[in-house]
Order: sequence, then structure tokens, then C-alpha cells
Amino acid sequence: NAGVTQTPKFRILKIGQSMTLQCTQDMNHNYMYWYRQDPGMGLKLIYYSVGAGITDKGEVPNGYNVSRSTTEDFPLRLELAAPSQTSVYFCASTQQGTGNQPQHFGDGTRLSIL
Amino acid sequence: RKEVEQDPGPFNVPEGATVAFNCTYSNSASQSFFWYRQDCRKEPKLLMSVYSSGNEDGRFTAQLNRASQYISLLIRDSKLSDSATYLCVVSSGGGADGLTFGKGTHLIIQP
Repeated sequence: NAGVTQTPKFRILKIGQSMTLQCTQDMNHNYMYWYRQDPGMGLKLIYYSVGAGITDKGEVPNGYNVSRSTTEDFPLRLELAAPSQTSVYFCASTQQGTGNQPQHFGDGTRLSIL
Repeated sequence: RKEVEQDPGPFNVPEGATVAFNCTYSNSASQSFFWYRQDCRKEPKLLMSVYSSGNEDGRFTAQLNRASQYISLLIRDSKLSDSATYLCVVSSGGGADGLTFGKGTHLIIQP
């Protein structure tokens, strides 16, 4: 059972480049999330989705875009990479809303913008 | 503004000792509470949910105090493998974005 799978695990980008962080889950979860975690800090929500075709902004959405064309996939797009986007990115999913359901996390993508 | 506050530590504790740490939350409407464990450079993993009546899972005990708006985690007979960062997570239950993470408490168990 793969759970939540993120690719790539590591990436170095130059300022101004673009890339897509991939996230897929095989648990048929409706809710999916993207977080970033800076060193020594808590997780900050970037975007989330409550189902295919529905996405919404979290706490720190600027500089990112998402799409949710299928239940399984929730890619995160960086259009113009900036040094401030150097971080560890985690994708997570849960069957229902966060009220009583813990979240299942992927391994993370470590992104450096130079 | 939703906030979850934790002592970042590190807590340096000898193996076999009992250690406890708290987490305070500012949103009185918070409904669900969790402790996650995060190892260095790894993803957070659910340690345990925290119920109103308190709950225990082996060496771990979680307590909730709604009046004072804090939750606690107690680890008995600590093991070297307990060394990690413990994240306090609070949900307002008001929607899919209602999960707030604390910055974590760093625990180091020393032999």
C-alpha cells in the first residue's frame, strides 16, 4: 500500500525556473493538501482540495498553483521560482475534512532555489 | 488568528525517564487535537489523537484541558527511539483548512 507518493524527492532550481511537484495517493481520499515547512518552523498550508475539480487557497498560496483533475493526483506548480520558496514540501491526504481525521503525509520534496 | 504554541526545546532526557510537554492553542472553538511525530528530515506521522477524556497508548498518554486550552503528552520509560520532534496539531473543524500545526518540541533521549 503506497499511501501518498511525492516526486521528486530532491530538486535544485535556478531563480525564475518553473517546475511541478507531483503528489498522488491510492487511498481514494477526497481531501488533499500541500504544505511547506521551513527549518525550525511548523507546517504552513499552501493549497488544499476537497475533491476532483475543487481547489482553494491556504495560508501561503502566493507563487504557487494547483490543479485536481483526478481524485488521485494533486500537483503543485511553481511558475517563477524564488529563493523564498526554498523549503520542504509535503503533500497530505485524508478521507474526510480535518475535523476528526488525521492526515497521511508523503515523504516530502526538498527544494532549493539558487 | 489561529495559533498553536509549543516549547521548541530541546528537551534532553536520560533513557528510561518520564518526560512531558504541553501545547497551548488560542482558538477556543478547536474541536480535534492530535500529536504527530516528525523524525529529522522525514514526514510527520500521527502519534495519537487526543480525546476529551484523555487517552493512553502504551507508554504515551495524552491529556486535553479545554478550560485552559492546552494539551499535553507524557512519555514514560523513554527509549532512544523516542528522539524526535513532536508536533501539536489542532483542528477547528470548520473546514478542510482548519488544521493548525505547532512548530514542534524537539526531544533528545540520551543513553
